[in-house]
Amino acid sequence: NAGVTQTPKFQVLKTGQSMTLQCAQDMNHNSMYWYRQDPGMGLRLIYYSASEGTTDKGEVPNGYNVSRLNKREFSLRLESAAPSQTSVYFCASSGSGEKGANGGYTFGSGTRLTVV
Amino acid sequence: GESVGLHLPTLSVQEGDNSIINCAYSNSASDYFIWYKQESGKGPQFIIDIRSNMDKRQGQRVTVLLNKTVKHLSLQIAATQPGDSAVYFCAENIKGGYNKLIFGAGTRLAVHP
Repeated sequence: NAGVTQTPKFQVLKTGQSMTLQCAQDMNHNSMYWYRQDPGMGLRLIYYSASEGTTDKGEVPNGYNVSRLNKREFSLRLESAAPSQTSVYFCASSGSGEKGANGGYTFGSGTRLTVV
Repeated sequence: GESVGLHLPTLSVQEGDNSIINCAYSNSASDYFIWYKQESGKGPQFIIDIRSNMDKRQGQRVTVLLNKTVKHLSLQIAATQPGDSAVYFCAENIKGGYNKLIFGAGTRLAVHP
């Protein structure tokens, strides 16, 4: 059981380059999330998708776009990367109903992105 | 040892002592709360959760207390061990048609032998 898989694990971009972070879950969860974590800080919600076909802005959406490609996959795109987007990005998913043994949210292992 | 929300981001304790990590949450509509542990280079790891209709919940060596009146959560770790050294985050599930999980800024717990 893979849970939530993020690719790539590490990436270095030049200012102005674009890239897409990929996330896939195999738990048949309805909701998926993208967070960023800056050094010494908590996770901040960028975008989320409550269900397949819907996406909504979180706390810090500027500079990002998302696509909920299907129930399994939720991608995060940086169209024109900026140094301020240097961060660790976490994808998460959650199901509906009872929270289950892990609180219902499962996190990927993160993508460490550096923009120079 | 005891930490107070965001203004004391590091809590240092001796091995074997009890630790108390505090968190102030923001939204009265939050109906569910989770404590996460995050070790360096890893994603958040679930520790314990509590629903808003409860005041206290106990796990193995951990207890979460919820005070809805002042919107405050605490995580108590008994007999703190070196392996407990990590950053601890509280997160609130904001209910409003769909769920959103919002994290606090975190407290670093340093356990000294």
